[in-house]
Amino acid sequence: GENVEQHPSTLSVQEGDSAVIKCTYSDSASNYFPWYKQELGKRPQLIIDIRSNVGEKKDQRIAVTLNKTAKHFSLHITETQPEDSAVYFCVPGNNRLAFGKGNQVVVIP
Amino acid sequence: GAGVSQSPRYKVAKRGQDVALRCDPISGHVSLFWYQQALGQGPEFLTYFQNEAQLDKSGLPSDRFFAERPEGSVSTLKIQRTQQEDSAVYLCASSLVRAQPNEKLFFGSGTQLSVL
Repeated sequence: GENVEQHPSTLSVQEGDSAVIKCTYSDSASNYFPWYKQELGKRPQLIIDIRSNVGEKKDQRIAVTLNKTAKHFSLHITETQPEDSAVYFCVPGNNRLAFGKGNQVVVIP
Repeated sequence: GAGVSQSPRYKVAKRGQDVALRCDPISGHVSLFWYQQALGQGPEFLTYFQNEAQLDKSGLPSDRFFAERPEGSVSTLKIQRTQQEDSAVYLCASSLVRAQPNEKLFFGSGTQLSVL
């Protein structure tokens, strides 16, 4: 099955700085790459997704970049704000339903 | 509806009691998923429906767990003879896409189950 790793497991950044978290996967046939955000005590929410025929996608302060050769995709958050503090999950793959442990991002005011 | 609705929001059960958790997906969403999320962990996949068909139940932890979606809309997750290790938040999600079911999941607020 698909082997997925997220790095770093925890990331602390100063408010206003950028944050980058990375997801590596093993299945070269994967063609869909979403990132979900889960704030403490709330439901997971899709924040951005990308398909394999696109290398980068931006939505305001967040962006996702895909490197199919290296089999990883990253979430970039610019000008971080306290409300960006959350756990972020990558769920790569065509039929992957497992969320994994996620990356904890802490924005320090 | 406007979003995925789950009820009850909180459920306290005595060990050994049966519970039923309800999920109302977004109208027209073909795919429906159940996840179990323990404190401090990511959502763990339990089962998946496409319309009324249960296509994957590989994540159900034991035969005490049972899910159904008889008319292809509302789904119920039933847990029989609850144990303390069943305490968790149970999340329901739905998606519109048929061909690739894991696309664009919309989650409900979950049911927090506490087994005493």
